[in-house]
Amino acid sequence: GAVVSQHPSRVICKSGTSVKIECRSLDFQATTMFWYRQFPKKSLMLMATSNEGSKATYEQGVEKDKFLINHASLTLSTLTVTSAHPEDSSFYICSALTSGRTDTQYFGPGTRLTVL
Amino acid sequence: GNSVTQMEGPVTLSEEAFLTINCTYTATGYPSLFWYVQYPGEGLQLLLKATKADDKGSNKGFEATYRKETTSFHLEKGSVQVSDSAVYFCALHTSGTYKYIFGTGTRLKVLA
Repeated sequence: GAVVSQHPSRVICKSGTSVKIECRSLDFQATTMFWYRQFPKKSLMLMATSNEGSKATYEQGVEKDKFLINHASLTLSTLTVTSAHPEDSSFYICSALTSGRTDTQYFGPGTRLTVL
Repeated sequence: GNSVTQMEGPVTLSEEAFLTINCTYTATGYPSLFWYVQYPGEGLQLLLKATKADDKGSNKGFEATYRKETTSFHLEKGSVQVSDSAVYFCALHTSGTYKYIFGTGTRLKVLA
């Protein structure tokens, strides 16, 4: 149980284009999802907290107009990197909280974004 | 504020060696403590957790005990395998917030 998927697993795009990453909870409802960014050999940086049906809460220093987050249902959150640039290249990981358990996050497998 | 400190890596061990990865924390209140493992190219997997003092989390031969007096949650395994090579993250979560605080991760390399 508590499986989280991400799609795509890898994406390569040209500078200036937008990329959408999906995060799905497969066997549970997730009222809250999180988006992280991980730099090479570094820890995870929380970008934003996404609550179903409401606006995402962004961490300090994260541009909300660049990283658009939508949590349209209890099983799906999307992160759109708008007008991507090479410095946006990174590993993006989502996680989800089950509605009944608020202390354990379940992580997706991650999405490797490369912007050329 | 809350924080998690992990030992610097990488840690390189021979197969069947004993493993300890240190983790200490600073937190207000009574946090839950976690160890996550990340295999190359993958996301994080929950390895074990403990929610109160003196609890011991265990999974796949790994153990960690929640020590409030030393604010520690060290990860141990008696005999590591090559397949244990990965990055290990210590994390905490305090009630009243959904946020996790992660340590910087410790890379473990096990040699055959």
